Amino acid sequence: KQEVTQIPAALSVPEGENLVLNCSFTDSAIYNLQWFRQDPGKGLTSLLLIQSSQREQTSGRLNASLDKSSGRSTLYIAASQPGDSATYLCAVGDLQGGSEKLVFGKGTKLTVNP
Amino acid sequence: EADIYQTPRYLVIGTGKKITLECSQTMGHDKMYWYQQDPGMELHLIHYSYGVNSTEKGDLSSESTVSRIRTEHFPLTLESARPSHTSQYLCASSELGWYTGELFFGEGSRLTVL
Repeated sequence: KQEVTQIPAALSVPEGENLVLNCSFTDSAIYNLQWFRQDPGKGLTSLLLIQSSQREQTSGRLNASLDKSSGRSTLYIAASQPGDSATYLCAVGDLQGGSEKLVFGKGTKLTVNP
Repeated sequence: EADIYQTPRYLVIGTGKKITLECSQTMGHDKMYWYQQDPGMELHLIHYSYGVNSTEKGDLSSESTVSRIRTEHFPLTLESARPSHTSQYLCASSELGWYTGELFFGEGSRLTVL
C-alpha cells in the first residue's frame, strides 16, 4: 500500500529565504507526482506535475525534483515571500489494479514571516 | 481560475439529519471526485465519477452516497448524519484525469455534526 510522508510538518522562515520541502513515498512504481498548495479554508491548487519519466519541473520560483528509485521528491522555493504561506501537499499517482489512485501526504504548513 | 463550486461552505447540523453537499463545475469535465480531509491529515478519496450515470466508491469507506445525473453536478448525500461525519469535504474535477495534472478543486464544505 502506497504511503506518502512529508517532512517537516511545519516550517517557519523569514522572508527572502530559500527553502526545501520534502516528500517521500514507499512504492516507487508511480505514474506521476504532484505538488499542491492549500490556503486555509480553501481547496487545493496544483503547482507542479512531474511524470515518472521526468526528473524535475520548474514554474517561476518553484522547482520540484523527483527521484523515483529512492522514493523522494523535493519542492524548492526560491526567495520566499509572505504570500507563499500555505500548506503544501505532495501526492503520488499510480494505477494499481487498473484503477486510479492519487495518494496524498499530510502536508507541510509553511509560514513566511515578513 | 477554476470554475468549480461547492455549497454550503459551512454547515452545522444535528445528529440524524439528512444533508446534501452540492458540487458544480462549468468546465464540462467528465471526471469528478469527492475527497474527505480532516485537519492536518491526508485527503482521502471517497467517491468518483467518470461521467453521467457513473459512480464508484473510493479508497476510504464512507456512508455517503453520490449521484451523477448531469455532467456539471456531483452531489454527495448523507442520509443520517453522525458526529463521525464531521470533516471537510472537497470536490474536484478533471477533463482527462489527475494524471494530466489538471485537477481543479472547489473550496470545500466544512461539515460539523453535533
